[in-house]
Amino acid sequence: DAKTTQPPSMDCAEGRAANLPCNHSTISGNEYVYWYRQIHSQGPQYIIHGLKNNETNEMASLIITEDRKSSTLILPHATLRDTAVYYCIVRGAIQGAQKLVFGQGTRLTINP
Amino acid sequence: DGGITQSPKYLFRKEGQNVTLSCEQNLNHDAMYWYRQDPGQGLRLIYYSQIVNDFQKGDIAEGYSVSREKKESFPLTVTSAQKNPTAFYLCASSRERRNTEAFFGQGTRLTVV
Repeated sequence: DAKTTQPPSMDCAEGRAANLPCNHSTISGNEYVYWYRQIHSQGPQYIIHGLKNNETNEMASLIITEDRKSSTLILPHATLRDTAVYYCIVRGAIQGAQKLVFGQGTRLTINP
Repeated sequence: DGGITQSPKYLFRKEGQNVTLSCEQNLNHDAMYWYRQDPGQGLRLIYYSQIVNDFQKGDIAEGYSVSREKKESFPLTVTSAQKNPTAFYLCASSRERRNTEAFFGQGTRLTVV
């Protein structure tokens, strides 16, 4: 499975856009990029995923570079409730079974 | 409502005892997963199952065992062989396709004293 690299922590002011980067330089052509977030002591929550096109939903936007080696999760108007650890994951397949492998994530703090 | 349920939320056990954590889903998902999370750390994969009666070791399977007798259920047993069992345990499920998201339970915090 492709590995991902994220900054360990980031800060953002409330109401501003939060841009979280992720490097996945070894991603293969059929692997998707997923983003999850985990608020303290809860289970991770799915945010968004994509293959090569940019994606947007009610929570966030996902921008994937043309070479697919990196991506950026954008929270357009961050609120205090967006403070969480954000995980970028590349989902691979091994002999039909699919592993979800999490890295260390980025601890995003939204400041008032 | 459909979802994935872990029970109990908090669990205390004495050292040397085996303990089984429950994970049930009514989402009709084929794949299920168990993760361990230590304070300030990311999630580490213990076991995963693609289909009933089949499961695969993850990155830290030593000291753990699982079963998948029913599609809805994927219990995890923390055995006495697990040297540092105190942790936050998370269960997840997904459809068995590459482009679908996983759903997580709210976790079980196990403390071994």
